[in-house]
Amino acid sequence: AQSVTQLDSHVSVSEGTPVLLRCNYSSSYSPSLFWYVQHPNKGLQLLLKYTSAATLVKGINGFEAEFKKSETSFHLTKPSAHMSDAAEYFCVVSDPSGGYNKLIFGAGTRLAVHP
Amino acid sequence: DGGITQSPKYLFRKEGQNVTLSCEQNLNHDAMYWYRQDPGQGLRLIYYSQIVNDFQKGDIAEGYSVSREKKESFPLTVTSAQKNPTAFYLCASSSIAGNHYNEQFFGPGTRLTVL
Repeated sequence: AQSVTQLDSHVSVSEGTPVLLRCNYSSSYSPSLFWYVQHPNKGLQLLLKYTSAATLVKGINGFEAEFKKSETSFHLTKPSAHMSDAAEYFCVVSDPSGGYNKLIFGAGTRLAVHP
Repeated sequence: DGGITQSPKYLFRKEGQNVTLSCEQNLNHDAMYWYRQDPGQGLRLIYYSQIVNDFQKGDIAEGYSVSREKKESFPLTVTSAQKNPTAFYLCASSSIAGNHYNEQFFGPGTRLTVL
């Protein structure tokens, strides 16, 4: 069965420093992986997705993630944090076993950015 | 603008009442989904629909009902049988190409509070 583990529930960084949000997955298939961002009381916005093409995936707002099959990881990074990056981030794996695009969500990582 | 709209943004319900949450999309997507989000948790799937007049239960369908009479609309009814309905509800949609489901796009959410 597919599953996702986000290794940190909270991450705090200073503005201008790098961001690392960690995600490990378990999948019986060649997975599709996603990172979504959610600002308070808002819906989810897709940051980036991996679908078996390039292992280094670039997304919006300067974020990128690297798919590492040997480590079953899909960590999200950004070279320099901005105050507007403060939000909740979800790592997601798709599970096609039921014949539709079921998404399995991690519990989320809350990113705080300090001046 | 293309997108997904949900209404109302905030909803208050007395115990024993049924309430209906609206979800409309103008993205021409075939598939639509309803999720529930509780604090500190990822999203959990309530119902999904791949085509008009067809829908399937997700992981936590008990106490909920849906309809899909039109491609662009997928309303969710929270019934009095749902024991703990206070939560943030998110609607999503995705396109389908053959057997491939593309990424899901999310609406802004409805926060339901039971008084």
